[in-house]
Amino acid sequence: DIQMTQSPSSVSASVGDRVTITCRASQGIGNWLAWYQQKPGKAPKLLIHGASSLQGGVPSRFSGSGSGTDFTLTINSLQPEDFATYFCQQADSTPWTFGQGTKVEIK
Amino acid sequence: QVQLVQSGPEVKKPGASVKVSCKGSGYTFNQYGITWVRQAPGQGLEYMGWISAYNGRTDYFQKFQGRVTMTTDTSTSTAYMELTNLRSDDTAVYYCARGIGGKNSYLDPWGQGTLVSVSS
Repeated sequence: DIQMTQSPSSVSASVGDRVTITCRASQGIGNWLAWYQQKPGKAPKLLIHGASSLQGGVPSRFSGSGSGTDFTLTINSLQPEDFATYFCQQADSTPWTFGQGTKVEIK
Repeated sequence: QVQLVQSGPEVKKPGASVKVSCKGSGYTFNQYGITWVRQAPGQGLEYMGWISAYNGRTDYFQKFQGRVTMTTDTSTSTAYMELTNLRSDDTAVYYCARGIGGKNSYLDPWGQGTLVSVSS
């Protein structure tokens, strides 16, 4: 199975900050990577697929990059509604596997 | 809009079985797969398996082989996930999600989740 290692596990930031989250796959997955946002008590929401393609309706302050084994999610100009937990997911081969999550907290 | 609506919370005893439903609307149900993912309290996301609503083909995570059965009823646009021989560590929120993209592997949208509690 492909292991996904996400870092950091948590980050404290202020409104307006730029936040960067990284995800590393244990083997190459091309660009078969997704990012999800999850708020407490809610289901995850797809933000980015194909490593860098923004899902419809997702604000442009979210962006993704990377290929192969190393990937990044960047949130520019953090907004109050962005405080949540973010997960990466490899979508290359089953079992789909997820990073352990990064909690973005208010500083 | 595209939506998945899951059945309500369940409380089960160890050794029992649970069957969670997931009804799709707003799209052609049999053109997509449904993935099941669970999340134990305070934990991350765990893939359980996938079913094609087109032909019923399944892919179960090895960890759940022999205990999980995924089915679909295209006449009602509903997917089901049954987990047997429940243990306390099966306590989790169970999500269904539609698979999109070339490998049906990007998950969007997700159902609202079904809490399954296993306790004696």
